[in-house]
Amino acid sequence: EAGVTQFPSHSVIEKGQTVTLRCDPISGHDNLYWYRRVMGKEIKFLLHFVKESKQDESGMPNNRFLAERTGGTYSTLKVQPAELEDSGVYFCASSQVKVAGELFFGEGSRLTVL
Amino acid sequence: GENVEQHPSTLSVQEGDSAVIKCTYSDSASNYFPWYKQELGKRPQLIIDIRSNVGEKKDQRIAVTLNKTAKHFSLHITETQPEDSAVYFCAAPLYNFNKFYFGSGTKLNVKP
Repeated sequence: EAGVTQFPSHSVIEKGQTVTLRCDPISGHDNLYWYRRVMGKEIKFLLHFVKESKQDESGMPNNRFLAERTGGTYSTLKVQPAELEDSGVYFCASSQVKVAGELFFGEGSRLTVL
Repeated sequence: GENVEQHPSTLSVQEGDSAVIKCTYSDSASNYFPWYKQELGKRPQLIIDIRSNVGEKKDQRIAVTLNKTAKHFSLHITETQPEDSAVYFCAAPLYNFNKFYFGSGTKLNVKP
């Protein structure tokens, strides 16, 4: 069974540009999460989808970030316009269970904003 | 929200020694505490977890202990091996269970 896949693995852009990150969760997993890790700090929650609905987006930093999950399958996270402080590793994770349980992570998308 | 603190940030041990990583949390309603291991360049993966109805859980060389009264839990690795070298993250969920707060990570280096 394929795990959670993320694309691109690394993106280098200039301040003010746009980047779109994509996540394909494990098939059948209704829960999809986006997290971000800035160097040396915690893995920080951004938002949570249940199927195509945003369950919780309280961790989204500001309105420059837009996440979608059309059809309840893959998800995209767009940053527009990117700022220097957006640099970090963006992780996607998925899970099947409704209560607290294992998260299956992707390998992350490293974003560098110059 | 939940506040998870993890210590130490780095830990260096000799192969064969034990390693202990500690986390504290703030939400007394949290009842599930996982530990994730992230090897260099790879994805974080669950290595062990514990629910609040038990105080300790073991899986071969790794164990997790939980003290709900003090709101802290620890990861114990015995007989460390070089392949244990990685970054370890603890986590705790907010009361609604589907939102995890992670610690800042511990970089473990096991010297051969």
